[in-house]
Amino acid sequence: DQQVKQNSPSLSVQEGRISILNCDYTNSMFDYFLWYKKYPAEGPTFLISISSIKDKNEDGRFTVFLNKSAKHLSLHIVPSQPGDSAVYFCAASARGGAQKLVFGQGTRLTINP
Amino acid sequence: DVKVTQSSRYLVKRTGEKVFLECVQDMDHENMFWYRQDPGLGLRLIYFSYDVKMKEKGDIPEGYSVSREKKERFSLILESASTNQTSMYLCASSLSMRGNTEAFFGQGTRLTVV
Repeated sequence: DQQVKQNSPSLSVQEGRISILNCDYTNSMFDYFLWYKKYPAEGPTFLISISSIKDKNEDGRFTVFLNKSAKHLSLHIVPSQPGDSAVYFCAASARGGAQKLVFGQGTRLTINP
Repeated sequence: DVKVTQSSRYLVKRTGEKVFLECVQDMDHENMFWYRQDPGLGLRLIYFSYDVKMKEKGDIPEGYSVSREKKERFSLILESASTNQTSMYLCASSLSMRGNTEAFFGQGTRLTVV
């Protein structure tokens, strides 16, 4: 059973516009959420995170929004740049245990010049 | 900066071979993980370890085992490689159970079993 879902396999956005990537989760025990970016043939790199006590976290061009009642989070990138073209994974973990991360399937973002 | 290093970028092995994938982290992290990435499936957890000599199964442990004899090193073992184990393997580490922290990943090992 997929506990973290990214329902859009791909997204294409024009340079300078906003990119919005979405993620849904089913496990109500998740209390920490992360976004990772991955280029081909490289490991994922951490982008931004949010704790369940918040509903928004910003870091430069990247903002993550969390809607706990809907079990939904989104990543906004504005303005989008060509270097943002990559696969984006959302991940979640539950407090306690080894805080293993559960990942979504990923969304391939392409920024067009 | 945290560094997680995987011993090989690319590996080609034959069906039935025993395969060892090595991972080393240099930041004294307590937790270490092995994931595999397949198209359309995201990253799936194979095994993880929260202390030396401690290990727990993840979501897809069948056909794999792990070893953690030292805190900085976590090895993934394919007991008898099969073609359905062709994948990108990713090692990660994170600080501890005591707070929310991100996991840091190695560069990945692309394993092909022929």
